[in-house]
Amino acid sequence: GAVVSQHPSWVICKSGTSVKIECRSLDFQATTMFWYRQFPKQSLMLMATSNEGSKATYEQGVEKDKFLINHASLTLSTLTVTSAHPEDSSFYICSASPGGEAQYFGPGTRLTVL
Amino acid sequence: QKEVEQNSGPLSVPEGAIASLNCTYSDRGSQSFFWYRQYSGKSPELIMFIYSNGDKEDGRFTAQLNKASQYVSLLIRDSQPSDSATYLCAVFSSGTYKYIFGTGTRLKVLA
Repeated sequence: GAVVSQHPSWVICKSGTSVKIECRSLDFQATTMFWYRQFPKQSLMLMATSNEGSKATYEQGVEKDKFLINHASLTLSTLTVTSAHPEDSSFYICSASPGGEAQYFGPGTRLTVL
Repeated sequence: QKEVEQNSGPLSVPEGAIASLNCTYSDRGSQSFFWYRQYSGKSPELIMFIYSNGDKEDGRFTAQLNKASQYVSLLIRDSQPSDSATYLCAVFSSGTYKYIFGTGTRLKVLA
């Protein structure tokens, strides 16, 4: 149980384009989903927290107009990186929580912006 | 002071030995503590969590929590080369509903 999927697992795009990443909880309803970014040899950095049906809460320094988060249902959240640039290249990981305190991670999406 | 601190390592142990991974945290109000394992290029995988002072065992893994000392550890018995990974300590803040991660300790189990 507690499986979280992400799609795509990797994506390469040109600078200036937008990329959408999907995060789904497959066997439970996720009241809260989290989006993280991880650069090589660094720890996870929380970007934003989203609750179904409400606006995401962004961490300090994360541009909400650049990283659009939609949590339309209890099993799906999306992160759209708008006008991506090479410095946005990173490993993006979502996690989902069924409530309480456990969170379960998706397999991650590796974004490369050329 | 960082909110969650871990020694970055690498911690090298021989196969079959006990690996001891440590983590300290600064928020005394923290109530939930998690250990994740992350292989290179992969996302973190939950190993176990602990809420109460003392030890919690799950197979070869034992989590230890000492809230007075703001210290949580993970022991891995009979370490295997497949245990070689980065181990992340995470602390959950019920006030902010956020998980704060340490930078991780890289473990190497030598065959």
